[in-house]
Amino acid sequence: EDKVVQSPLSLVVHEGDTVTLNCSYEVTNFRSLLWYKQEKKAPTFLFMLTSSGIEKKSGRLSSILDKKELFSILNITATQTGDSAIYLCAGASQNAGGTSYGKLTFGQGTILTVHP
Amino acid sequence: NAGVTQTPKFQVLKTGQSMTLQCAQDMNHEYMSWYRQDPGMGLRLIHYSVGAGITDQGEVPNGYNVSRSTTEDFPLRLLSAAPSQTSVYFCASSYGQGIKYFGPGTRLTVT
Repeated sequence: EDKVVQSPLSLVVHEGDTVTLNCSYEVTNFRSLLWYKQEKKAPTFLFMLTSSGIEKKSGRLSSILDKKELFSILNITATQTGDSAIYLCAGASQNAGGTSYGKLTFGQGTILTVHP
Repeated sequence: NAGVTQTPKFQVLKTGQSMTLQCAQDMNHEYMSWYRQDPGMGLRLIHYSVGAGITDQGEVPNGYNVSRSTTEDFPLRLLSAAPSQTSVYFCASSYGQGIKYFGPGTRLTVT
């Protein structure tokens, strides 16, 4: 059974702090690792990582994948109150033909609270 | 583009009632999926579809049916609602690998 585990489950920081969110995965026929941010409603896409060791960056957010150790981290530098959200990671699997049918296995999420 | 749309936004059912949650996308995406989200459990896959006429079960399919007669629509049917189906339901679609677009969600309460 596929499994994705995130840590910590919740985190409280002050504006300006840097945070690191962790995601470990065991996904059969692993294809990629995705990070989402969820505020009040639907998750919004942040990153998709398929290659090990290559950092993806968007503003103050960055993420990297280690396919040997089966984990990924999401870093947020200089946090702001607007970063308060649930951060979800998900492992995507592929079939024998190499395509992904959109099957994602999600972790429980990390609840990040940023105080002013 | 409207993206992924879901109706209704909220629904209250009594145990044993049936209903259909609607999902539509206007991006011509092949892949559509239904997830449910419960506190502390992330999102869990209910059913998914790789194209019109093709559906398959996810992690928690019991009590739900789906069909995909067109590329645009992917309704989720609750056959006989149970309190354990109280949850927030998200529909999602993607064109390539990985899901990128989620609908706004339907909050369902079964009493």
